[in-house]
Amino acid sequence: NAGVMQNPRHLVRRRGQEARLRCSPMKGHSHVYWYRQLPEEGLKFMVYLQKENIIDESGMPKERFSAEFPKEGPSILRIQQVVRGDSAAYFCASSPDRGIAGELFFGEGSRLTVL
Amino acid sequence: AQKITQTQPGMFVQEKEAVTLDCTYDTSDQSYGLFWYKQPSSGEMIFLIYQGSYDEQNATEGRYSLNFQKARKSANLVISASQLGDSAMYFCAHDTGRRALTFGSGTRLQVQP
Repeated sequence: NAGVMQNPRHLVRRRGQEARLRCSPMKGHSHVYWYRQLPEEGLKFMVYLQKENIIDESGMPKERFSAEFPKEGPSILRIQQVVRGDSAAYFCASSPDRGIAGELFFGEGSRLTVL
Repeated sequence: AQKITQTQPGMFVQEKEAVTLDCTYDTSDQSYGLFWYKQPSSGEMIFLIYQGSYDEQNATEGRYSLNFQKARKSANLVISASQLGDSAMYFCAHDTGRRALTFGSGTRLQVQP
């Protein structure tokens, strides 16, 4: 029973390039969340998606960031024209329709470094 | 807005002793959940324990227990019989049923032999 799969684990981009981070939720999970963790800080909520729908994007920066969770395939977090401040670990989590609300199953994270 | 406070940036404990990691939260919701996650140096987030606001008994999971004091809005994590493998960052988190968790800033626990 595979867990939440994120790739790439590590990504290096130069300023102005685009970063795409992928997340495949656990089998049977239809809820996906993205969090960002800056060094030595806690996780900050970015966006919550269900299949083909954005449910809550209150933590997403208004510009350059977008997320999708298509009917087929993984969820994608896209960062356009990256800047140094985007360097962080980006965690994806998933949850099933039933179970404890808020019990999230996390991936191992994607670490973005912007040069 | 929900707020989670972890006032201990770092803690030390001797192997085999118990340690308490503090967490307070601020909410006006009547129904909510409290979680603790462990993040070892490898980076993954590991779910440890959950407490519902209406649960009358403190949650326990093996060596982990949650000291839930609703009136004080605190949800401290107690780790008994610490092991070297317990050295990690520990995050308290809060949920109100809208599914997105709010995390505290974390406590770095170091277990000494």
